[in-house]
This record gives sequence, C-alpha cells and structure tokens, in this order.
Amino acid sequence: AAGVIQSPRHLIKEKRETATLKCYPIPRHDTVYWYQQGPGQDPQFLISFYEKMQSDKGSIPDRFSAQQFSDYHSELNMSSLELGDSALYFCASSFRRANTGELFFGEGSRLTVL
Amino acid sequence: AQSVTQLDSQVPVFEEAPVELRCNYSSSVSVYLFWYVQYPNQGLQLLLKYLSGSTLVKGINGFEAEFNKSQTSFHLRKPSVHISDTAEYFCAVSEGAGGTSYGKLTFGQGTILTVHP
Repeated sequence: AAGVIQSPRHLIKEKRETATLKCYPIPRHDTVYWYQQGPGQDPQFLISFYEKMQSDKGSIPDRFSAQQFSDYHSELNMSSLELGDSALYFCASSFRRANTGELFFGEGSRLTVL
Repeated sequence: AQSVTQLDSQVPVFEEAPVELRCNYSSSVSVYLFWYVQYPNQGLQLLLKYLSGSTLVKGINGFEAEFNKSQTSFHLRKPSVHISDTAEYFCAVSEGAGGTSYGKLTFGQGTILTVHP
C-alpha cells in the first residue's frame, strides 16, 4: 500500500539559508500534518491542512511557512535557518472523514543546519 | 489542551520477560489515545489506538493497552518481549470526535525500551 512520501530524506544547510521539505500524502487522504522532532525530543506539532486550507497551528516559528497544493501534496518552507532548526521533520496524513483519528507518518526528513 | 506523561524514560528488560510502559494523560475533552513505536532513524509506526468501546485494545507485534478513564492512563503491555522490540515508544493523545483540533497529536516524552538477551 502507498505510504506518505517525504523528500528529501536528508538535507544539510548553512545558517541563514532556506530549506523546503515536501510531503506527498497517501492517496485520498485529505489532511496533512507537519511535526518537528528535535534530538532526543518528542515530536512537536507544527501545522496542519485540511482540504488545502490551514486547519490548525502549533509551535511553528514565524520563519516557517507551509501550504497544501491542489494535488494535496504539502511543502514546508523554512527561512533564515538557525542551528536549533536541526531536527527530524515528519509529515503525516489522514482521511479526516473516516473519523478514525489515525495519522500515517512518513519516514521523515532530517535537516542539519551547520 | 491535552498533555501526556510517560512515567519512565528508559525501561531495560530481558528477552521473553513481560513489560509495561506507562502513560498518563490529562484532557478536558474526550480523547483518542495512541501508542507509536520509533526504531532508530525511522518514522513513527502505529502500534495500537483507542477510540471508543472496549477498554482493552490489541495492536501489532503482540502489544496491548488498557484505557483506564478513572486513572487517565493508557499503559502499554507485552507478555513476552523480543530483542527486536528494542525501540522508542511514544504515547499520544488527540481530541476525540467533534473536537476542533482533530488529528493534532500531543506526544509524551517517549520511553526507550531496551531488550537484553
């Protein structure tokens, strides 16, 4: 079965640079979520989109932005990168109308800021 | 808002022994409860979930968990662990049906389970 696809899997950037992460949800899923997991930390919710509209917002820095496109894929844009942005970024998707509450996670994109 | 507390940051256990990973939550609304497993350098995989109904839920790999509303707990158990169960386990909670933050998970701090031969 198709899973959530994230790219790139690994990314190395310098401070103050910009990075873009992409997420392709499971087909027919209508909701996408972004989570950030710092080293040794639990995943923290950043933002979610339902039917291409932002539906919830968590602890996402102002330097970050995200959107969901017409094909339901989502991109997380991070600017003015800081060392503390080094983390594993997870995308997850769900089919909200099924009301199971279950999120399906991708393998994650590991961002290293030097 | 919800919060999740995993009472043990690390749990060492010998192979074939039983294990319990503890999780307590707090919420002012009804919740859905989940356990996820994360192997090194991998994503999060759902072990099991509680949405409603029977308070004892069974998941993959022989794991089960019991929802206790009065104690606001959702402890994860396995009667006999294997070396391959070595991983980090996260308890998570989300608002239940009708909530305004549907699907937004709040995770606990994680419990590292290490199974020794």
